[in-house]
Amino acid sequence: DTAVSQTPKYLVTQMGNDKSIKCEQNLGHDTMYWYKQDSKKFLKIMFSYNNKELIINETVPNRFSPKSPDKAHLNLHINSLELGDSAVYFCASSPLQRGYNEQFFGPGTRLTVL
Amino acid sequence: LAKTTQPISMDSYEGQEVNITCSHNNIATNDYITWYQQFPSQGPRFIIQGYKTKVTNEVASLFIPADRKSSTLSLPRVSLSDTAVYYCLVGDMANDYKLSFGAGTTVTVRA
Repeated sequence: DTAVSQTPKYLVTQMGNDKSIKCEQNLGHDTMYWYKQDSKKFLKIMFSYNNKELIINETVPNRFSPKSPDKAHLNLHINSLELGDSAVYFCASSPLQRGYNEQFFGPGTRLTVL
Repeated sequence: LAKTTQPISMDSYEGQEVNITCSHNNIATNDYITWYQQFPSQGPRFIIQGYKTKVTNEVASLFIPADRKSSTLSLPRVSLSDTAVYYCLVGDMANDYKLSFGAGTTVTVRA
């Protein structure tokens, strides 16, 4: 009965490859997010979707493309992976469109680009 | 989003009270103060949120002075399992769609 789940937990791949990370929430929330946490532990928002509609798109390379097939899922597809993409990616969800209420985070996906 | 400043790290011992102060001099009228906790290899977890004075829940207390330019998260009687990174965030609850995390405070609890 995990609230926010992500797959895979670990992802090791070569530069130039394309990969996807999946996120699902069973909390009935309308809003979902993707965050990137670098090696210095800074957590930065990348995207946010509300009812499958993109509402936040921070300065993220267009190699990153979020896709929300329904409001319970927000997947992250990354094209042409680069070394600098190595990080931990967290998915989160919140019950209100204005995300400053409590956000529920997934366990993270550690991406390593070789 | 208002910028926040927290100590980089704090050490404590089991059973002690840990107080983490966060400075947010540019806090706006509509901004709320929120604290998250992150254990190693896990996502952040909401701890507490407040606007002014004092807020208490089963995990922590949050003290906010009248000028709201700082706030203090208080963890009573910590245990080893409270070792984590604690993030202070400030933002407009009504209009903000995103959270902006700083570097956080790494709290290490020793036996």
